[in-house]
Amino acid sequence: AQSVTQPDIHITVSEGASLELRCNYSYGATPYLFWYVQSPGQGLQLLLKYFSGDTLVQGIKGFEAEFKRSQSSFNLRKPSVHWSDAAEYFCAVGDNTDKLIFGTGTRLQVFP
Amino acid sequence: DAGVIQSPRHEVTEMGQEVTLRCKPISGHDYLFWYRQTMMRGLELLIYFNNNVPIDDSGMPEDRFSAKMPNASFSTLKIQPSEPRDSAVYFCASSRTRGSAKNIQYFGAGTRLSVL
Repeated sequence: AQSVTQPDIHITVSEGASLELRCNYSYGATPYLFWYVQSPGQGLQLLLKYFSGDTLVQGIKGFEAEFKRSQSSFNLRKPSVHWSDAAEYFCAVGDNTDKLIFGTGTRLQVFP
Repeated sequence: DAGVIQSPRHEVTEMGQEVTLRCKPISGHDYLFWYRQTMMRGLELLIYFNNNVPIDDSGMPEDRFSAKMPNASFSTLKIQPSEPRDSAVYFCASSRTRGSAKNIQYFGAGTRLSVL
């Protein structure tokens, strides 16, 4: 069965510092991979997606993620974090059933 | 496009009452998903529809929960009778199977349900 693991429940960084949020998945074939962001009181917004091709994908708000098949990972990165990036981040994996399996989320806190 | 629209945004009700949550998907999307989010269980898929037909309702917690999609632009999630443990944020999402944005789920702002 598919699964998604986000090992970090809570991360705190200083504004301007770099960021990497980890995501590992379990899936037999090449998955569809997604990162979503949820601001307080809001729904989930798509940051970026990987379907195929270039393993480094660019998203909105300056985020990028790299698909590494050998490590079953799809880590999210940002070179310089802004205070407005404080939110909860969800990694998700999809397959040909059209469902998404979401990780448990990583809450990002940004200090000035 | 207005995005996925959910109503109401907040619902407070008493135990035993019927609750109906509503969702309008993005026009042209043929998939609709209902999720529940709680601190304890995270984001759970309850049920999803394709072309108005329920495909997988294995996530629906109990018979107290039911969902319908009478047409392509409207879906409801009903809880009858409601219980305090149903308190959560309920999200609706939609997606399409064609085009460059296929398989991307777009979420509504959610309905925060409190059952007293």
